[in-house]
Amino acid sequence: GESVGLHLPTLSVQEGDNSIINCAYSNSASDYFIWYKQESGKGPQFIIDIRSNMDKRQGQRVTVLLNKTVKHLSLQIAATQPGDSAVYFCAENRNQAGTALIFGKGTTLSVSS
Amino acid sequence: NAGVMQNPRHLVRRRGQEARLRCSPMKGHSHVYWYRQLPEEGLKFMVYLQKENIIDESGMPKERFSAEFPKEGPSILRIQQVVRGDSAAYFCASSPLEFEGEAFFGQGTRLTVV
Repeated sequence: GESVGLHLPTLSVQEGDNSIINCAYSNSASDYFIWYKQESGKGPQFIIDIRSNMDKRQGQRVTVLLNKTVKHLSLQIAATQPGDSAVYFCAENRNQAGTALIFGKGTTLSVSS
Repeated sequence: NAGVMQNPRHLVRRRGQEARLRCSPMKGHSHVYWYRQLPEEGLKFMVYLQKENIIDESGMPKERFSAEFPKEGPSILRIQQVVRGDSAAYFCASSPLEFEGEAFFGQGTRLTVV
């Protein structure tokens, strides 16, 4: 079954608001996490990553928070823009040799003007 | 530096035909991963390959599906005797090392079985 999942399948926000997308994972051995953005008809695009020895990492307008105690990951998007509308996936690397990233189901972010 | 190239972008096959999906990784990348995505679903891992080696095929269906990554040329995902349930988007990703850092995805091949 799914071990990486997101709390909400959809999120609707107004342009300019901050967005928070959540993800729960179940494998305590996972040591590397990535957020991907997928626009309609396109492949997933890397947004930001974080290793398990960190609890926060910031990029341009995005911040990823990692809470290993409760196995929770979040993506915060500041000043959300219409171009941010997409499906967002979290993915984990289970720190096992030869394994690939495991993806959750995704959250669809809709930004209205 | 071209990204991960997948072709064809769209592929239509009749039930029982074979589908061949190609993936050229980014230059310098020797690790290739294939994922399948059903509508409204996340990406499901299928297979992980390095040049001439299958490292992990735990996500591949036991029958009709095969993958290769030859010494020269693209990685190929082959689906024999396709059925309607094979209709999906198939994505390829590549990375320079064994998932050290991000994996770059191609635009996908959308397979439709009619």
